[in-house]
Amino acid sequence: GENVEQHPSTLSVQEGDSAVIKCTYSDSASNYFPWYKQELGKRPQLIIDIRSNVGEKKDQRIAVTLNKTAKHFSLHITETQPEDSAVYFCAAMENYGQNFVFGPGTRLSVLP
Amino acid sequence: EAGVAQSPRYKIIEKRQSVAFWCNPISGHATLYWYQQILGQGPKLLIQFQNNGVVDDSQLPKDRFSAERLKGVDSTLKIQPAKLEDSAVYLCASSLLPGQGVREQFFGPGTRLTVL
Repeated sequence: GENVEQHPSTLSVQEGDSAVIKCTYSDSASNYFPWYKQELGKRPQLIIDIRSNVGEKKDQRIAVTLNKTAKHFSLHITETQPEDSAVYFCAAMENYGQNFVFGPGTRLSVLP
Repeated sequence: EAGVAQSPRYKIIEKRQSVAFWCNPISGHATLYWYQQILGQGPKLLIQFQNNGVVDDSQLPKDRFSAERLKGVDSTLKIQPAKLEDSAVYLCASSLLPGQGVREQFFGPGTRLTVL
């Protein structure tokens, strides 16, 4: 089955700096890669996603890049703000919504 | 639109007792997921339904966990008997069917289970 690894497990950055979180996956059949943000005590919420026919996607300060050959994808947050502090999870899914697996998460702390 | 509803929000039971969780997905979402999220870990998929059929239950501990979605709308997840290691937040999520374009999963607030 699918296995998703995520690094780093914790990340601290100064406000205004960039943050990068990387994930790798094992199943070449996976073709949908969402990123979820989970604030303490709250439910996960989708922040951005990418499909395998796209190499990069950007939404304001957030971008995701995908390298299907290497089976890895990354989340980039620019101009970080204190409200970006949360746990971020990457995930991978097959085309028909099967085999949906989350990574273990990255705790991001943005220091003022 | 209303979001995914779950109840109860919190439950404390003793080991070997039984417990059930309820989920009502967003209207029109044919796909429903149950996840187990242990503190400090990512959500782990327990079972996925499309309408009232099971798509994936490969990680559901079937000796103690069961789930149903009889009418293809709301769903219940049951644990019987509970073990200490079942302490976790149980998240329900729903989404449109694959092929309907948007794949985003919308999560409910979760049920925090503590097994003593």
